[in-house]
Amino acid sequence: SYVLTQPPSVSVAPGKTARITCGGDNIGSISVHWYQQKAGQAPVLVIYRDTDRPSGIPERFSGSSSGGTATLSISRVEAGDEADYYCQVWDSSNDYVFGTGTKVTVL
Amino acid sequence: QITLKESGPALVKPTQTLTLTCTFSGFSLSTSGVAVGWVRQPPGKALEWLALSYWDDDKRYSPSLRSRLNITKDTSKNQVVLTMTNMDPVDTATYYCVHRQAAAVWFDPWGQGTLVTVSS
Repeated sequence: SYVLTQPPSVSVAPGKTARITCGGDNIGSISVHWYQQKAGQAPVLVIYRDTDRPSGIPERFSGSSSGGTATLSISRVEAGDEADYYCQVWDSSNDYVFGTGTKVTVL
Repeated sequence: QITLKESGPALVKPTQTLTLTCTFSGFSLSTSGVAVGWVRQPPGKALEWLALSYWDDDKRYSPSLRSRLNITKDTSKNQVVLTMTNMDPVDTATYYCVHRQAAAVWFDPWGQGTLVTVSS
């Protein structure tokens, strides 16, 4: 099965940039999507197709993908960005696969 | 505006079959390319995709749970139903209904989720 690996946690000071990585075999050749899940809430799509932002998502959220790693960046981090973040891909063999999740803590 | 809402039992016993209903609005599941599916999340753990029902009657299942899952749709009622057989305590999770738009391989939006506990 296809595995997407994320760091369990990332800590960042307010106003700084948080970077969350997502690693998987040949991930650079498939689109990666990112979700934000605040405590007690359903996930919300924040990035799709590696770099696109849905309407209503702040420009502070951006995505990139290169080689074997995709990255979600959150610039000018705010307290309200504290949440769990999940990457997700579609793979022809395994269909929809989610990453292991990263908890972002704002210091 | 697309909305999805899950309904079903909050508690099921081990070995029983779970039946969950997703009732949605704001789109039609007969529109080309559209799909509705299910994702679950055990307490404190990661998201796990379960199944997807497509506009053209195609169905896709998680390889690891395929033998226990069945997904059906009722386009006239705007509903998708998921059944999972032989429930076990490890299946305790919040179950989310999700929308997939045409030509997309991501989910947006999600339902609020429903917590299902498996316990005798």
